[in-house]
Amino acid sequence: EPEVTQTPSHQVTQMGQEVILRCVPISNHLYFYWYRQILGQKVEFLVSFYNNEISEKSEIFDDQFSVERPDGSNFTLKIRSTKLEDSAMYFCASSDERGRTQYFGPGTRLLVL
Amino acid sequence: AQSVTQLGSHVSVSEGALVLLRCNYSSSVPPYLFWYVQYPNQGLQLLLKYTSAATLVKGINGFEAEFKKSETSFHLTKPSAHMSDAAEYFCAVSDRNQFYFGTGTSLTVIP
Repeated sequence: EPEVTQTPSHQVTQMGQEVILRCVPISNHLYFYWYRQILGQKVEFLVSFYNNEISEKSEIFDDQFSVERPDGSNFTLKIRSTKLEDSAMYFCASSDERGRTQYFGPGTRLLVL
Repeated sequence: AQSVTQLGSHVSVSEGALVLLRCNYSSSVPPYLFWYVQYPNQGLQLLLKYTSAATLVKGINGFEAEFKKSETSFHLTKPSAHMSDAAEYFCAVSDRNQFYFGTGTSLTVIP
């Protein structure tokens, strides 16, 4: 069964450093999403992406964040200058139709020191 | 605006007992509703979904949920809890562009 994959599974970085989280969505999906989950809290929407552009973003998704689909398979989330409060689990999701079922990857646990 | 409320951040049931996890939503459009399960140190796995077809939805692992428009509810049930059901459960509503998740309910199954 097709699934969303994410790399790395864990990343530790120093405050102020740039990180890139990678996702490979399900191959025939057209809608891509990033969410984050701070430890012990709910899953929060960051951004949605369709047709090579951002379709919606939350207040969390400020200028420090960017997303890109550099090729036909990868979907990346970049945090330019990480802050302590960026420590969280980051989930990628994809969907074949807007608003329909989103399939989530296993997540990347980011720890900013 | 869309939002989801999950009553009870922690629920404990005995093995073999009924599981009932509550979810109420608000949505400005006809809702798509979902339940996801998160096992420790894992991602979100789809349990079941409601997308305007049958109001009683059956999912994986014996779970089901009933969409009740008059009560704006989408409660998750399972007739008989199993130890392997211990996990975090998230209800979500879609506004056709993003998902809005509830705060989650942690289910503990007591042997």
